[in-house]
Amino acid sequence: QITLKESGPTLVKPTQTLTLTCSFSGFSLSTSGVGVAWIRQPPGKALEWLALIYWDDDEWYSPSLKSRLTITKDTSKNQVVLTMTNMDPMDTGTYYCAHSRDWFDPWGQGTLVTVSS
Amino acid sequence: SYVVTQPPSESVAPGQTARISCGGNNIESKTVHWYQQKSGQAPALVVYDDSDRPSGIPERFSGSNSGNTATLTISRVEAGDEADYYCQVWDSSSDHVLFGGGTKLTVL
Repeated sequence: QITLKESGPTLVKPTQTLTLTCSFSGFSLSTSGVGVAWIRQPPGKALEWLALIYWDDDEWYSPSLKSRLTITKDTSKNQVVLTMTNMDPMDTGTYYCAHSRDWFDPWGQGTLVTVSS
Repeated sequence: SYVVTQPPSESVAPGQTARISCGGNNIESKTVHWYQQKSGQAPALVVYDDSDRPSGIPERFSGSNSGNTATLTISRVEAGDEADYYCQVWDSSSDHVLFGGGTKLTVL
């Protein structure tokens, strides 16, 4: 059974850097074809894909956010970390990680991040 | 860049068929995945690779992709199907994932 769980701060100040960790079990990020994605959702709005990292270290980023994002993996710890710099109140929302094989399944429960001074 | 468009809302009576569209230029050349998000929950995959169902998803959920429109069809709609539905593609022209804006399905 594959499970994922997001962790990180619930509140960050504008201009700060956000670091989120996705801890997973039930699969390995060293298996061919496997990836982990980050997706976010502002309150009451649509899903927005942020980044994706694959078993072979290929990284993909949302073009509109690429300059602010870094995704890394620690295969031995079964973790994927997303950092987002220069946080703004518009970045408030629920952040999800998901197991990826072209599609996203399953997803973590999500973590709500609020950006406010 | 590529754009995928969904109607903001659809409504259907219990027992009827719901069809949720996902439009994009020549979308049939892309592979479409669909997610269901119930209120307060994380999204869940209901259709992948245009028309395949993950294990545990009822046969009432089906998908198709032709021309400029991909469609998620929910037959014999139940009250529990009320949710937001999102389509997702990979935009190979710019190498990134795209979600549609989501469709809120209301069961009357």
